[in-house]
Amino acid sequence: DGGITQSPKYLFRKEGQNVTLSCEQNLNHDAMYWYRQDPGQGLRLIYYSQIVNDFQKGDIAEGYSVSREKKESFPLTVTSAQKNPTAFYLCASSISTMEAFFGQGTRLTVV
Amino acid sequence: QKEVEQNSGPLSVPEGAIASLNCTYSDRGSQSFFWYRQYSGKSPELIMFIYSNGDKEDGRFTAQLNKASQYVSLLIRDSQPSDSATYLCAVREETSGSRLTFGEGTQLTVNP
Repeated sequence: DGGITQSPKYLFRKEGQNVTLSCEQNLNHDAMYWYRQDPGQGLRLIYYSQIVNDFQKGDIAEGYSVSREKKESFPLTVTSAQKNPTAFYLCASSISTMEAFFGQGTRLTVV
Repeated sequence: QKEVEQNSGPLSVPEGAIASLNCTYSDRGSQSFFWYRQYSGKSPELIMFIYSNGDKEDGRFTAQLNKASQYVSLLIRDSQPSDSATYLCAVREETSGSRLTFGEGTQLTVNP
């Protein structure tokens, strides 16, 4: 089955800890995106990548890092510099200017 | 000014009525526009996309685009309780490397 897989579904982070959220797609899409969603809010763009080995900052990149070493994978690391990381994280992919499809999301909580 | 703005909600309509959702955007170079539906706790799913000025219909949904006014809307006819969700407008901003920017969303409730 083609699609976008995010893991884990739930993640708990301790204060000062880095955590990495996984996003894999087998749709052969060039572009991939990471969004953050807080309760009752819209989606805010963290990072996006149009091509392998290249990515751009979105509106709220501080405290996050990404890599795009393979077309299929776009992992997001939430670093200790992100002071308020508790949120719902969504990964998406698309063919260039076409519509984006989303994974099931990762719910991150600081404990 | 936000790049993508949606009419503030929440919006409540009776079953069978028409729900109207509106969105404005700031990037005049934008060419691609999308409406997503998001149920509580779930990821967004695509409802409609529109690239050309005018109306595009798909079942009970109609998307309308006016590039001169930088305005895109979604009409839901014969609204059903199952349509109750948050509707997100998304715009692909060509001047920013084709980034996909979302509005804040409008929460719709359809009352039986």
